[in-house]
Amino acid sequence: NAGVTQTPKFRVLKTGQSMTLLCAQDMNHEYMYWYRQDPGMGLRLIHYSVGEGTTAKGEVPDGYNVSRLKKQNFLLGLESAAPSQTSVYFCASSQLAGKQYNEQFFGPGTRLTVL
Amino acid sequence: GNSVTQMEGPVTLSEEAFLTINCTYTATGYPSLFWYVQYPGEGLQLLLKATKADDKGSNKGFEATYRKETTSFHLEKGSVQVSDSAVYFCALNSGNAGNMLTFGGGTRLMVKP
Repeated sequence: NAGVTQTPKFRVLKTGQSMTLLCAQDMNHEYMYWYRQDPGMGLRLIHYSVGEGTTAKGEVPDGYNVSRLKKQNFLLGLESAAPSQTSVYFCASSQLAGKQYNEQFFGPGTRLTVL
Repeated sequence: GNSVTQMEGPVTLSEEAFLTINCTYTATGYPSLFWYVQYPGEGLQLLLKATKADDKGSNKGFEATYRKETTSFHLEKGSVQVSDSAVYFCALNSGNAGNMLTFGGGTRLMVKP
């Protein structure tokens, strides 16, 4: 099992450019998440999905869009990148809800720099 | 709303020293509590968890006890190693519909030989 994988690992964008980050999991998990990690602020939830075809906003959704067309994939899009979106992005997945002790499994992260 | 507060780092210790990283939380209901560890250049890994009051989670020599009366979940290890150098995150799950975690800001631990 590869677990949770993320593509790409690093990316540099210019202000106004667009890009898509891909997350894939092979654990048949229902739930998937996108976080951003900034120094001293821990991880903040951007968007999440409770199943194929469904998405919901997290704590900091502005400037991002997501799609979950297949159960194993969760895409994060930046339509017009801004320097404030420079961050490390983590994808995670977990089993079906109703079990609040279920852990989330994290990918290795994508380091994005917006110039 | 839910929140998690951790002691600010970095915490610098010598090898074999005792480690405590404080974590307190605010949450509705009866959350589950977690410690995640992030090694340099990697994603987060679950270190240990506790799902109800007075539970003790333990793994790799680390342990933490769920204290409902003080709303705390402090991480401890009796003798740290250089390989324990990492960032440690305390988190809670209050049983919301999205199984979402609320994270603390993270504490960087540096262990010197």
